[in-house]
Amino acid sequence: NAGVTQTPKFQVLKTGQSMTLQCAQDMNHNSMYWYRQDPGMGLRLIYYSASEGTTDKGEVPNGYNVSRLNKREFSLRLESAAPSQTSVYFCASSEGTRSGGTDTQYFGPGTRLTVL
Amino acid sequence: QKEVEQDPGPLSVPEGAIVSLNCTYSNSAFQYFMWYRQYSRKGPELLMYTYSSGNKEDGRFTAQVDKSSKYISLFIRDSQPSDSATYLCATPSMDTGRRALTFGSGTRLQVQP
Repeated sequence: NAGVTQTPKFQVLKTGQSMTLQCAQDMNHNSMYWYRQDPGMGLRLIYYSASEGTTDKGEVPNGYNVSRLNKREFSLRLESAAPSQTSVYFCASSEGTRSGGTDTQYFGPGTRLTVL
Repeated sequence: QKEVEQDPGPLSVPEGAIVSLNCTYSNSAFQYFMWYRQYSRKGPELLMYTYSSGNKEDGRFTAQVDKSSKYISLFIRDSQPSDSATYLCATPSMDTGRRALTFGSGTRLQVQP
């Protein structure tokens, strides 16, 4: 099993460009998440999908959109990139069957995005 | 106020030292706490979790929760250079109806050989 995969690994954009970060999991998990990680800020939740067909905003959703394409895939789109979106982006998944958010989250390797 | 606060460090210790990593949390309703470990340029991975008050031990690692002071700790005994990583505490986020986690900012640990 590959676990959680993310593409691309690195990306450099100019301000105003758009791009989509792809995430896929092969663990048959119900829930998927997108985080960004900035120095000194830890992991901050952008969007999450508790189950296929649902998406909800997290702590820092502005400037992003998501699509839960199917049970395996959860993409993150930047419509008009800004330098403030320079960050490392992590996708994660969990079974989503246990109450209270107590599932183990499995993370992908991350995408390093620089917006000039 | 963030739901979980963590001292960012960095923390540098000699090999064999006992390490104490700490977080505080804001909501007394939190009951479930996790510690994730993140190696440089990798995604986080679950190290251990603990429920409510008390201790949980797993090899050289002990997770402790003190609900009276809203304090969670991770102790590492006989620390090794391979323990050098960033350690993040986490708990189910009330802001998401506990459907997702909220993380502390992470403490970077360096164990010197």
